[in-house]
Amino acid sequence: DADVTQTPRNRITKTGKRIMLECSQTKGHDRMYWYRQDPGLGLRLIYYSFDVKDINKGEISDGYSVSRQAQAKFSLSLESAIPNQTALYFCATSEIEKLFFGSGTQLSVL
Amino acid sequence: KQEVTQIPAALSVPEGENLVLNCSFTDSAIYNLQWFRQDPGKGLTSLLLIQSSQREQTSGRLNASLDKSSGRSTLYIAASQPGDSATYLCAVLQGAQKLVFGQGTRLTINP
Repeated sequence: DADVTQTPRNRITKTGKRIMLECSQTKGHDRMYWYRQDPGLGLRLIYYSFDVKDINKGEISDGYSVSRQAQAKFSLSLESAIPNQTALYFCATSEIEKLFFGSGTQLSVL
Repeated sequence: KQEVTQIPAALSVPEGENLVLNCSFTDSAIYNLQWFRQDPGKGLTSLLLIQSSQREQTSGRLNASLDKSSGRSTLYIAASQPGDSATYLCAVLQGAQKLVFGQGTRLTINP
């Protein structure tokens, strides 16, 4: 079983819809992250959390929100999806410096 | 603002060749530099992590070097194999756990 699991793997939605991407981990790490990957732009940090009570904005947090439900669970929400949020989304965990990534969620907003 | 650049964007070489992937960054105030591998449909896998005080790290056929003063890192792959085909990304860690990624180099090893 994967250490960092993202659901769903693929999602197609329409403009204006609310959508939630979920991430769970079995590594026991306190630190969790959400990144998005766009062709030609690399990965960019959306939000990160160092423990259940700690939530921090990354460089591109506008239009997104997160919830850290437990040490093992970190979800990303798009309150009102727009087409330029079409991207590959990754969840990651870390103990100190080394990151462990999930397999990603490909989101398409039509 | 830190910028990380990887050149070339794509590289295709015959099996067995030694090759070098390049990564450059604009701000030398980094904690570490990491190299990742990304396979289609899968997440990123950490290959090597070099602390800012280190010059290089090795793992099997992979060797990564870091020249912080010049803002450069290289990933050397020896005796390349078709299974090495993937996208390779470098990333630098700055303050507040901010990891800045390059755009990646898509590597194809031809049998």
